Amino acid sequence: GESVGLHLPTLSVQEGDNSIINCAYSNSASDYFIWYKQESGKGPQFIIDIRSNMDKRQGQRVTVLLNKTVKHLSLQIAATQPGDSAVYFCAENNYGQNFVFGPGTRLSVLP
Amino acid sequence: DSGVTQTPKHLITATGQRVTLRCSPRSGDLSVYWYQQSLDQGLQFLIQYYNGEERAKGNILERFSAQQFPDLHSELNLSSLELGDSALYFCASSVGQSDQPQHFGDGTRLSIL
Repeated sequence: GESVGLHLPTLSVQEGDNSIINCAYSNSASDYFIWYKQESGKGPQFIIDIRSNMDKRQGQRVTVLLNKTVKHLSLQIAATQPGDSAVYFCAENNYGQNFVFGPGTRLSVLP
Repeated sequence: DSGVTQTPKHLITATGQRVTLRCSPRSGDLSVYWYQQSLDQGLQFLIQYYNGEERAKGNILERFSAQQFPDLHSELNLSSLELGDSALYFCASSVGQSDQPQHFGDGTRLSIL
């Protein structure tokens, strides 16, 4: 199917390696953040979230790190698998306002 | 499966026409959101409804309108269509009004010829 974001930044990693996807957010008042995964032909899928009173949160094979000082969010994927190939979006929310989505990063997993 | 259902999956129409996109939220979710995703852009928030009432507006054109019905399903109406309206249109739902994960449908791909 048609690809989303043909000119997105791309991260290529070897299968089995760890991946780190970065996101710079815009609003220093944002207090809630989400990472979404979007596979070709599908809608965004929730991966993990974090609130501003935390700086790290772990899920299954994924970890989100939040650095409020520099307005930076990262998603770490351990032991990257072919099924992890997708576009990853961060989204920020400011005290109940609507989410603002980042431009996305395409993760390509090499065999 | 997110539980959010969007129809139709694909829509092809001509400039100047009007179309209606439909969304059924996850069971129990009261908020519905509409987003537009173009090839060269991320997700652009259009509008949100909560329990039948409009809650927030984003970058929605005046040619576009939406509503949420008593059974909580929502429709997005796009009129006087232009070539630039070709995009993926996503619906998402959440339980509450804000700062909660949104669950997305698989979108409607709109192609304007």
